[in-house]
Amino acid sequence: DAGITQSPRHKVTETGTPVTLRCHQTENHRYMYWYRQDPGHGLRLIHYSYGVKDTDKGEVSDGYSVSRSKTEDFLLTLESATSSQTSVYFCAISEVGDRSSYEQYFGPGTRLTVT
Amino acid sequence: GIQVEQSPPDLILQEGANSTLRCNFSDSVNNLQWFHQNPWGQLINLFYIPSGTKQNGRLSATTVATERYSLLYISSSQTTDSGVYFCAVLSGSARQLTFGSGTQLTVLP
Repeated sequence: DAGITQSPRHKVTETGTPVTLRCHQTENHRYMYWYRQDPGHGLRLIHYSYGVKDTDKGEVSDGYSVSRSKTEDFLLTLESATSSQTSVYFCAISEVGDRSSYEQYFGPGTRLTVT
Repeated sequence: GIQVEQSPPDLILQEGANSTLRCNFSDSVNNLQWFHQNPWGQLINLFYIPSGTKQNGRLSATTVATERYSLLYISSSQTTDSGVYFCAVLSGSARQLTFGSGTQLTVLP
């Protein structure tokens, strides 16, 4: 157990509504990540954070924003949800290990459906 | 960016059989991880193995970094081994993993 929780675990929302997903860690790791998983695409990085208030975009960042005001929490916001954002969202954490390993550990996932 | 290819895409085994899953990558890597995604969707860390060989029970993994591939061995497979196996790499200055498309393993009783 890597000490990562995600909330909510399941959510159904309507097109055009804002949605915020939360990732919480108890490991005090510096790096946190948001990925989405879709059939045929594997896992793709949305945004990541390398410290409090330090974030950067990933491969599929359009339509998403993030915030990290505390080490333990990383929030992913869909400002106006669209059906193309129906997906399973995973949070991950890592710390710089030996030889800059950045070994990552994943949370349980959030299944989001946009109708 | 770096490309990660996994083979085979699908594999069906009888319980007790052995299998080898392969991951090829297109550039040098700082990090290579193998994950098992179980039927409930959880991503479970199997190995962190940018080079060399590691073993954990019935599973072992080998990465030959100079030839840009990694192998995951599953011996005496069990039905609980079913799921998708992902290889993921971290290359260059990147801090995020690039995932392969996975191998869907089904172990029949």
